[in-house]
Amino acid sequence: EAGVAQSPRYKIIEKRQSVAFWCNPISGHATLYWYQQILGQGPKLLIQFQNNGVVDDSQLPKDRFSAERLKGVDSTLKIQPAKLEDSAVYLCASRGAGGFPYNEQFFGPGTRLTVL
Amino acid sequence: AQTVTQSQPEMSVQEAETVTLSCTYDTSESDYYLFWYKQPPSRQMILVIRQEAYKQQNATENRFSVNFQKAAKSFSLKISDSQLGDAAMYFCAYSTGANSKLTFGKGITLSVRP
Repeated sequence: EAGVAQSPRYKIIEKRQSVAFWCNPISGHATLYWYQQILGQGPKLLIQFQNNGVVDDSQLPKDRFSAERLKGVDSTLKIQPAKLEDSAVYLCASRGAGGFPYNEQFFGPGTRLTVL
Repeated sequence: AQTVTQSQPEMSVQEAETVTLSCTYDTSESDYYLFWYKQPPSRQMILVIRQEAYKQQNATENRFSVNFQKAAKSFSLKISDSQLGDAAMYFCAYSTGANSKLTFGKGITLSVRP
């Protein structure tokens, strides 16, 4: 079974530029998450999708971050314009629907963003 | 709001020895799940072990076991017979049943000495 795929793996941009990250979850997984992991900290949820609907985006800085999950499969996270404090690893995770009481999430390898 | 605290930033263990990683959490929920995740230098987060709060029996997965103290809101991970491949960051995480969002602690860096 293929895991969660993310691209690019690394990205370096100047502040005020735009950037987009892509995630392909495990096939059949209805729930998709984007986490931000700043160096030295644990991941923090940015947004959670159930199919193509948003379940939780309370921690998403909506003035600069946006995310979509068209057709309930792939997802894109965008930052526009980027700030220095956005330097982090962006992790995508997915989870299967129903009959899974343990809430296990499977993570992708992440995209490391450096904002100069 | 739920919080997860990992107060030890780093630990070191001799190969083949046993090490315990500490975690405390705060919640007002009665039903929830606790997890330990491993994040090797390649950055792919992997689930190590999980515990349902309603279960009194501590979870065990091969060399990994937990000490779950619900009243004290403590959830420690014991790694027995430590191996070089155990070197990684370990995150304690919490999740409720109603919302499967994971709340993570800051993590602990475990090094294994040969």
